[in-house]
Amino acid sequence: SAVISQKPSRDICQRGTSLTIQCQVDSQVTMMFWYRQQPGQSLTLIATANQGSEATYESGFVIDKFPISRPNLTFSTLTVSNMSPEDSSIYLCSVLPGRDRSSYEQYFGPGTRLTVT
Amino acid sequence: AQKVTQAQTEISVVEKEDVTLDCVYETRDTTYYLFWYKQPPSGELVFLIRRNSFDEQNEISGRYSWNFQKSTSSFNFTITASQVVDSAVYFCALSEVFTNAGKSTFGDGTTLTVKP
Repeated sequence: SAVISQKPSRDICQRGTSLTIQCQVDSQVTMMFWYRQQPGQSLTLIATANQGSEATYESGFVIDKFPISRPNLTFSTLTVSNMSPEDSSIYLCSVLPGRDRSSYEQYFGPGTRLTVT
Repeated sequence: AQKVTQAQTEISVVEKEDVTLDCVYETRDTTYYLFWYKQPPSGELVFLIRRNSFDEQNEISGRYSWNFQKSTSSFNFTITASQVVDSAVYFCALSEVFTNAGKSTFGDGTTLTVKP
């Protein structure tokens, strides 16, 4: 299993500013992902955080807006840049611990609830 | 591309009623995983079940049961004798193991309200 913590758990930010969200896992994991859940909506994948290289972004998400770092196998950050009220969402970190695809366990962090005013 | 459809946007039942939440999926992969998550009003995502594409055996866990039918690409979730604490948004999700490894596609969710 994997225990995931995220910081901050929630924040209220002014438009035009940036917020960095941290994701810490209690063990080394193979894959890390960042998801967004806008109010009343489902979860949408933002990007795959690649260890030691640039993140892989899904359609509709760009690095300038959501820069991601993953310096090691247990930690990643997501920055929401130049925020607008439309960025108000829950941001979730997710991990896939093992390399064995036959035991496919995906875990989600508790989320960071962001409100942009 | 993978897709998950939860046709029921909202369901309202009275306590002790049984309720089934539908989930239909699309994928071209033969190896994939299906998930159900619960998101109570507090917002955290609670994992309920994971099922791989090779295991069509239905599963029961207490008041929860899941019916996986590959022939109809469905993975339905039934709550027996519902309780007020079951009120939440429930998400069905699909992860292809090879084509889009680790990337989960979520349905739009079904909001379940259980009234006392």
